[in-house]
Amino acid sequence: SQQGEEDPQALSIQEGENATMNCSYKTSINNLQWYRQNSGRGLVHLILIRSNEREKHSGRLRVTLDTSKKSSSLLITASRAADTASYFCATAITGRRALTFGSGTRLQVQP
Amino acid sequence: GAGVSQSPSNKVTEKGKDVELRCDPISGHTALYWYRQSLGQGLEFLIYFQGNSAPDKSGLPSDRFSAERTGGSVSTLTIQRTQQEDSAVYLCASSLVGSQGNYEQYFGPGTRLTVT
Repeated sequence: SQQGEEDPQALSIQEGENATMNCSYKTSINNLQWYRQNSGRGLVHLILIRSNEREKHSGRLRVTLDTSKKSSSLLITASRAADTASYFCATAITGRRALTFGSGTRLQVQP
Repeated sequence: GAGVSQSPSNKVTEKGKDVELRCDPISGHTALYWYRQSLGQGLEFLIYFQGNSAPDKSGLPSDRFSAERTGGSVSTLTIQRTQQEDSAVYLCASSLVGSQGNYEQYFGPGTRLTVT
């Protein structure tokens, strides 16, 4: 089963609006990462948040992490049509080298 | 370019044939990962290489799947006697020292495998 589960599975918004995606996980983690994927091919790393961090910013991206609830959220502010993509959270689990990916949120930003 | 490269980008094969997928990681990255992504799904971990250590093969779905990494650089994923359920995009990623997965992974563009 997937360690990370994103919510919603799909999201459609208008350009300029904010997009919020959530990720829940089950076991203790060292860090949580968010990736973006265009057209079902290679993934691009967006941001990494460590287990002892609660919030992190990168440009129009804001990530929060609540280890007590085992959840994270990704906020994209002032969205653009070019933000249309699938977004995945990935957890680095203690004792495991590879990342465990969720099933992703498909974001559609309408121009 | 200094990114992760994969070849071929697309592969169509008949059921029962063997296929080899290649990954060239970023120079200097000691950790290399193979993932599989079925249509509309998340990534499924297959195998992990770190330096000269024994690979973590815990994600390989069957003994038809194998991988090697020569000279700590290029990796080849081999699927023997392919089945239709093997159809997917196979993604390779590399990173700096993969201890506890603390480092971001850089992904290649993937190989889309179709088994007919």
